[in-house]
Amino acid sequence: AQTVTQSQPEMSVQEAETVTLSCTYDTSESNYYLFWYKQPPSRQMILVIRQEAYKQQNATENRFSVNFQKAAKSFSLKISDSQLGDTAMYFCAFMNGNNNDMRFGAGTRLTVKP
Amino acid sequence: DVKVTQSSRYLVKRTGEKVFLECVQDMDHENMFWYRQDPGLGLRLIYFSYDVKMKEKGDIPEGYSVSREKKERFSLILESASTNQTSMYLCASSPRDTEAFFGQGTRLTVV
Repeated sequence: AQTVTQSQPEMSVQEAETVTLSCTYDTSESNYYLFWYKQPPSRQMILVIRQEAYKQQNATENRFSVNFQKAAKSFSLKISDSQLGDTAMYFCAFMNGNNNDMRFGAGTRLTVKP
Repeated sequence: DVKVTQSSRYLVKRTGEKVFLECVQDMDHENMFWYRQDPGLGLRLIYFSYDVKMKEKGDIPEGYSVSREKKERFSLILESASTNQTSMYLCASSPRDTEAFFGQGTRLTVV
């Protein structure tokens, strides 16, 4: 089965600055999808951004962008102009394109400081 | 909007009880998932289902079973609840080949 590793249990950033969260994965599949999810304190998990493995271009959603390095099996999330509302747990996820088995990393707790 | 509804937000059960956690989605999604979330461990996949009556084991299926008799409903069953199953349980659903949508979670305490 695929494994997803997030090596930063906790991170903090000053408001308005940029932060990068790391994620690596291990798979022998060629067809897959990658996601970053956000879980605010005591609130529901929501999608931040997604990347299809067959696309070379890095995905971008407003202040959120990814650096997808397929050969290195790396999928980092960059948050620009950090806001207090970005404070949350962030989870990296891998979806197998064949059977849609979906696995998550252990998460990174991000705190944005005023 | 996609809605994934879990039957209970909080649940307290006794050791040895049979526990049912229900999840319903309203968007005709093929895939449904049950995860367990524990601090420092992230989300661990218990079971997932890609079609009615179909199921696949995840990383931690021991002590759990699932049922998917209808496309919109995916039930997680703890056959004989134990204290080490005290956790947050998250249900999710997705169409084929795209992101999953999550329910609000069920915090289960086994005493």
